[in-house]
Amino acid sequence: EVVMTQSPLSLSVTLGQAASISCRSSQRLEYTDGNTYLNWFQQRPGQSPRRLIYQVSNRDSGVPDRFSGSGSGTDFTLKISRVEAEDVGFYYCMQPIHWPLTFGQGTKVEIK
Amino acid sequence: EVQLLESGGGLVQPGGSLRLSCTDSGFTFTSCAMSWVRQTPGKGLEWVSAISGSGAVTYYADSVKGRFIISRDNSKNTLYLQMDSLRAEDTAVYFCGGWPEGSHSKLDYWGQGTLVTVSS
Repeated sequence: EVVMTQSPLSLSVTLGQAASISCRSSQRLEYTDGNTYLNWFQQRPGQSPRRLIYQVSNRDSGVPDRFSGSGSGTDFTLKISRVEAEDVGFYYCMQPIHWPLTFGQGTKVEIK
Repeated sequence: EVQLLESGGGLVQPGGSLRLSCTDSGFTFTSCAMSWVRQTPGKGLEWVSAISGSGAVTYYADSVKGRFIISRDNSKNTLYLQMDSLRAEDTAVYFCGGWPEGSHSKLDYWGQGTLVTVSS
């Protein structure tokens, strides 16, 4: 099983400031097609998860451009350039190419 | 647009059974692979099971293998999760999720979840 490890597990950010979440996988996430696959999900309080980023750095439809993903191999990062109040919640990384699919533990983002 | 709606959750005794359903009203169901993901109260996300668009291929987490069965009825645009021999640790909100068949990224779409409580 691929283990996904996130850090930090909790983040307190001032409105308008940047935030960064790290995710490390225990195996490389490169598929046979040559691409690397890593998702980021946001879960706001009381809501279902919503995918923000797929294939490391591609934003899903409707996701603000203040969210960006980067990384390669086994190390990945989600950055929020200017945190807004609506960004409060949990963020999860997930590897989608090895069965079983596995998620990171989640990072709680709150406003300072 | 895919719209997923889960149902079938509730309170069940340890050792009991429950069947969850997930209906897609977005008319793209047959072209989507589907999955169940659960979330223990106050904790993170755990993938449970997945099924191909035709239903021919299925995958299970070790924690539910031999106890849960995933299936789908494409004529009804409905995904199922038959849960038998339920344990307290199966208590969670169960989400169904889907993605276009052939996509490696997975879990583009999510339902709102249904709560399963296993307790005597």
